Amino acid sequence: DAGVTQSPTHLIKTRGQQVTLRCSPKSGHDTVSWYQQALGQGPQFIFQYYEEEERQRGNFPDRFSGHQFPNYSSELNVNALLLGDSALYLCASSLWDRAPGANVLTFGAGSRLTVL
Amino acid sequence: DAKTTQPPSMDCAEGRAANLPCNHSTISGNEYVYWYRQIHSQGPQYIIHGLKNNETNEMASLIITEDRKSSTLILPHATLRDTAVYYCIVNSGGSNYKLTFGKGTLLTVNP
Repeated sequence: DAGVTQSPTHLIKTRGQQVTLRCSPKSGHDTVSWYQQALGQGPQFIFQYYEEEERQRGNFPDRFSGHQFPNYSSELNVNALLLGDSALYLCASSLWDRAPGANVLTFGAGSRLTVL
Repeated sequence: DAKTTQPPSMDCAEGRAANLPCNHSTISGNEYVYWYRQIHSQGPQYIIHGLKNNETNEMASLIITEDRKSSTLILPHATLRDTAVYYCIVNSGGSNYKLTFGKGTLLTVNP
């Protein structure tokens, strides 16, 4: 049973460019969340998608956008890259329709973005 | 979500039990205590969670105090592969499930 897969694993961009990261959720999961993890910090929630709609959003600017496809896979787009966007971007999947306390996240290994 | 407090680092000898503490004095009645860990260069991994009763699974045990203001994650026989950052997170765990990570505890298991 495949877990969460992310691509690419590493990439280098320059300031001002745009990047797209991709995520396939764990089989059977319908909800995808994205997290940003700067070096030495814990992951920070960016946003969550369910039924192809953004359901929750963390404290990130509009330069960060996403999409969820009918097969539940997802993309994270970042426009006008800044040096501070350099981080590990983690995708996590879960089930939407779970009772309180029954939900856990399955994370992918992440995409490491370096902005020069 | 309620805030948690964890020591920044701990050491443990291989084969011994690792006891990782977490304070969550502002936890509300419907919030669960979750533990995740992150091994270097990997994504976080779910370990265990509980509401008020002690919990055990194949990875660890979770002891929650009666007043629910603190908890301890126990790895009964730590191995070198358990070296990781351990995150204690309080969350209601429903459909809008999103995690607020702190800096966690870096557990180093020594040979």
